Amino acid sequence: DAKTTQPNSMESNEEEPVHLPCNHSTISGTDYIHWYRQLPSQGPEYVIHGLTSNVNNRMASLAIAEDRKSSTLILHRATLRDAAVYYCILRGGGAQKLVFGQGTRLTINP
Amino acid sequence: EAGVAQSPRYKIIEKRQSVAFWCNPISGHATLYWYQQILGQGPKLLIQFQNNGVVDDSQLPKDRFSAERLKGVDSTLKIQPAKLEDSAVYLCASTTLARGLNTEAFFGQGTRLTVV
Repeated sequence: DAKTTQPNSMESNEEEPVHLPCNHSTISGTDYIHWYRQLPSQGPEYVIHGLTSNVNNRMASLAIAEDRKSSTLILHRATLRDAAVYYCILRGGGAQKLVFGQGTRLTINP
Repeated sequence: EAGVAQSPRYKIIEKRQSVAFWCNPISGHATLYWYQQILGQGPKLLIQFQNNGVVDDSQLPKDRFSAERLKGVDSTLKIQPAKLEDSAVYLCASTTLARGLNTEAFFGQGTRLTVV
C-alpha cells in the first residue's frame, strides 16, 4: 500500500485558514488522493479527493503538487467543529483498498 | 439516502466469550469494509468484501475473527473467543464500484467493544 506522511498534530485559531500537509512520494500515476476526517466519537467522514488537479467542495479545497508527491488540504475558515483527526489516503489498484495511517490531530482554538 | 447502519453501538463482554457485530451498507454499494480502531490509533482494515467475495483479509486474525457477507448485502463480523486486546471500536464502511477509485466511502457510527 502506498504510504503517506502527515504531521501528528496541528493547531490553529477559529476563523483562520488551515493548511494540512501530506507527503506521498511513492504515489503511482493512478492513485487518487483522498482525505477523510474523524470527529470525536464518530466514524470517519469523507472530505475531498483528487487525482491531478486542485479540487474544491463545500467543506474544503485540495491542492495537489505538480509532481503529485505532496498535497495540502485547505480549510478556508476553521470553526470549532473542524477539530478532528484528518487522514490523507492514497487509493489505487483494482482492489479499491482504503488504508488509514495515523492522521493529523487538528486542534482549533477559540 | 440512508447511511451505513451498525449494531449494536456498545457491547461489553468477558474475555473468552464470543461476540458478533452487524453492518448494513448503503443500498447498492458493492464494496464493504470492516475496520478495527484501537483508542488513539487510525482505523486498521480487517477485511474487504466486493459483493459477497473477499478481496482482502490479510489483517484479519483468522484464528478468532470471522466475517461473512451473505447475498452481497449486509455483513457480520464475529470474534470467538475474545481477548482483552480486542477492545476497540469496530467500523463498517461501504462504497460503490460505479466510479472505481473516484468515489468516497461512507462509514457507520461503529460498535464500541469492551472486553473485561
